[in-house]
Amino acid sequence: DIQMTQSPSSLSASVGDRVTITCQASQDISNYLNWYQQKPGKAPKLLIYDASNLETGVPSRFSGSGSGTDFTFTISSLQPEDIATYYCQQYDNLPPSFGPGTKVDIK
Amino acid sequence: QVQLQESGPGLVKPSETLSLTCAVSGYSISSGYYWGWIRQPPGKGLEWIGSIYHSGSTYYNPSLKSRVTISVDTSKNQFSLKLSSVTAADTAVYYCARRPGIAVAGYFDYWGQGTLVTVSS
Repeated sequence: DIQMTQSPSSLSASVGDRVTITCQASQDISNYLNWYQQKPGKAPKLLIYDASNLETGVPSRFSGSGSGTDFTFTISSLQPEDIATYYCQQYDNLPPSFGPGTKVDIK
Repeated sequence: QVQLQESGPGLVKPSETLSLTCAVSGYSISSGYYWGWIRQPPGKGLEWIGSIYHSGSTYYNPSLKSRVTISVDTSKNQFSLKLSSVTAADTAVYYCARRPGIAVAGYFDYWGQGTLVTVSS
């Protein structure tokens, strides 16, 4: 199975700050990487698919990049409604697997 | 608007079988795509359980494969999960989700709200 790691595990930032989360795969997964946002008590929401494609309706302050084993997720200007846990997910190999999550809150 | 809704018992006894159903509205399962189950233990991360194609082909997580059965009922536009011989480690929020496209692996674009299943005597 492919193992996914994320860093940091949590972060605090101010409104308007640029926030960056990294995700690393245990082997090359090309661009087969998605990002989800999960708010407390809610289901995950797809934000980015295929490493860098923004899901329809998702604000443009969210972006993703990377390929191979190293990926980056960025919020260009943190907003109060972005408080959530963010997960990466690989789908290069079955079983698809998720990272452990990065919890983002407001400083 | 595609909507998914999980239903089933919220409490299951150890060694028994967990059974959940996901009712889909706004999209006909028989039109295609994969349909999956994902779970999340309280305070922990996400784990893919398995997925089923509209035709009935299934893929399971090897870590659960011996205990999992996923089935589809296109006449009722729903799919189901059965997990046998449950233990406390199976306590989790269970989500159903749609996996668009013709490949079992990829992103999940629509999710149910999730249902908490607790395994306890």
